Amino acid sequence: QKEVEQNSGPLSVPEGAIASLNCTYSDRGSQSFFWYRQYSGKSPELIMSIYSNGDKEDGRFTAQLNKASQYVSLLIRDSQPSDSATYLCAVRRYGNNRLAFGKGNQVVVIP
Amino acid sequence: GAGVSQSPRYKVAKRGQDVALRCDPISGHVSLFWYQQALGQGPEFLTYFQNEAQLDKSGLPSDRFFAERPEGSVSTLKIQRTQQEDSAVYLCASSLEGLTSPQHFGDGTRLSIL
Repeated sequence: QKEVEQNSGPLSVPEGAIASLNCTYSDRGSQSFFWYRQYSGKSPELIMSIYSNGDKEDGRFTAQLNKASQYVSLLIRDSQPSDSATYLCAVRRYGNNRLAFGKGNQVVVIP
Repeated sequence: GAGVSQSPRYKVAKRGQDVALRCDPISGHVSLFWYQQALGQGPEFLTYFQNEAQLDKSGLPSDRFFAERPEGSVSTLKIQRTQQEDSAVYLCASSLEGLTSPQHFGDGTRLSIL
């Protein structure tokens, strides 16, 4: 079992709709959770971090964390063509500096 | 510059050659990380420095991989006797300190081994 799983295939959403991305993790000792956006050929860019159960909103982005279910999600409201990218879920365990990444989910926003 | 800088952006080498990849972290960032990203996959951790000390090198895939950060700033990832499976994007990230600060990534070096 991989440490971080992102199993959904490419996600196509019409412009203005909500894009929903899911991520599960295997280590209950995980403490910090991040969503990175990566455009093709570019570096991962941090868009959200979440550390406690519940929702965290930042502009059009909402991260949701449920530690009991070992589940973290990202919602993108009012999707724009510029949101078309690969979204990487990353997890950091308590006392450990490294990030464990999922393989990413590609999002395509259709104008 | 304000971000993490990596050079070269692209590197092509013949199998068996040695390569060196450079990372210039954000000024003042104590922690520096190297990751390897294969096509269509997420980044995989290679190694971590706090200042000049290499605190975790458990992700390095073989003894052909070596990283250093002698003065606690610029870091170099060296791969000796390159193999085709080393072809990937090598990403460097830095953070203010390791445990709670977010990691900021450079654009990476795309390494192709022929």
